[in-house]
Amino acid sequence: AQSVTQLDSHVSVSEGTPVLLRCNYSSSYSPSLFWYVQHPNKGLQLLLKYTSAATLVKGINGFEAEFKKSETSFHLTKPSAHMSDAAEYFCVVSAGTSYDKVIFGPGTSLSVIP
Amino acid sequence: NAGVMQNPRHLVRRRGQEARLRCSPMKGHSHVYWYRQLPEEGLKFMVYLQKENIIDESGMPKERFSAEFPKEGPSILRIQQVVRGDSAAYFCASSRAGAQETQYFGPGTRLLVL
Repeated sequence: AQSVTQLDSHVSVSEGTPVLLRCNYSSSYSPSLFWYVQHPNKGLQLLLKYTSAATLVKGINGFEAEFKKSETSFHLTKPSAHMSDAAEYFCVVSAGTSYDKVIFGPGTSLSVIP
Repeated sequence: NAGVMQNPRHLVRRRGQEARLRCSPMKGHSHVYWYRQLPEEGLKFMVYLQKENIIDESGMPKERFSAEFPKEGPSILRIQQVVRGDSAAYFCASSRAGAQETQYFGPGTRLLVL
């Protein structure tokens, strides 16, 4: 069975300060892990993806995430927050056979204070 | 290369009417997924389809909801006799292959039931 936990439902940071959005997963298989972003009233956009290559994954807009198997974590980071980063962020896990459905975390809402 | 397209973007229905949501996957993608996002909640999987086949509909409500992905044309999510609780954003995603492939999301259809 698979599951995804996003430890913070809401994160607030000041513009120019680092961003950390936490994600922990459980999976019986070697997982593929994703981060998606959803801006208000918009569809989801892929930020980055981990599929058992390099453990540090770089994505778009300066985001990156590190896969830590020992901690079953895939936290999303960015060195310096921008106002346009304010959005909902979803951590997603997919594993098993190709017919397994992907599991979305509940989401973390990021606010950026000017 | 056009992304995943969904229409309509907004749909208003009165209780008891039918809602039809359409999804055209990215070119070359033969796998389609439908998700529902209720207000203040994360995404929930509904159904996974390949061309002319329903692979996994474990997330679909047992009544009033149906989905298809014909050989030609878009995937359709159909909701009969809509109720206020059906008001949500419905997202479609497509991928080249199975669930471990990256899913690309459409902009969503926002259904409002009056």
